[in-house]
Amino acid sequence: GGIITQTPKFLIGQEGQKLTLKCQQNFNHDTMYWYRQDSGKGLRLIYYSITENDLQKGDLSEGYDASREKKSSFSLTVTSAQKNEMAVFLCASRRDRGLGDTQYFGPGTRLLVL
Amino acid sequence: GEQVEQLPSILRVQERSSASINCSYEDSASNYFPWYKQEPGENPKLIIDIRSNMERKQIQELIVLLDKKAKRFSLHITDTQPGDSAMYFCASGAKLTFGGGTRLTVRP
Repeated sequence: GGIITQTPKFLIGQEGQKLTLKCQQNFNHDTMYWYRQDSGKGLRLIYYSITENDLQKGDLSEGYDASREKKSSFSLTVTSAQKNEMAVFLCASRRDRGLGDTQYFGPGTRLLVL
Repeated sequence: GEQVEQLPSILRVQERSSASINCSYEDSASNYFPWYKQEPGENPKLIIDIRSNMERKQIQELIVLLDKKAKRFSLHITDTQPGDSAMYFCASGAKLTFGGGTRLTVRP
């Protein structure tokens, strides 16, 4: 078995602030994902990475940067937080992008921008 | 990018009846179709999935059907219980694009 951890669990920021969210997995999975989920809505892909130092943009990449420093970690940066923004950011990982392997989710980081 | 359409967005059924959720996708290369259940305050949890080499899969009261020709797949919950009330998401494609979700309510 394995686990995905996300830090912090809660993040309160100020408008215009740069905010970084971190994700670690010990599955030894190749592919990692960052999704955003707004209240009552579906998940939208921000970035994903198929291996260390790889980055692929999702549909929602504008306003975000990401970094895959090593296989086990994938960080997401909100480049300029928007006032009253409130969402959950979910990290996920999967052994291989194309071969139908199960995707596992972390517990999420809840963001609130004042 | 890849679009996954999920319908209906809201579904209310009576306890012990069936509930069906349908998804359609665009990427003909998609080979993996998971379904997730998400309860309030929780992250999505995989409940069942189907790969492109199958047309039907069943785990207890959950049935998934895949029609690759039509690029559609569906989740059927038979004998629904109030505990099945939640948001359900389908996903598809190499990037695992998610559908918009279905809020299922099972009335006692």
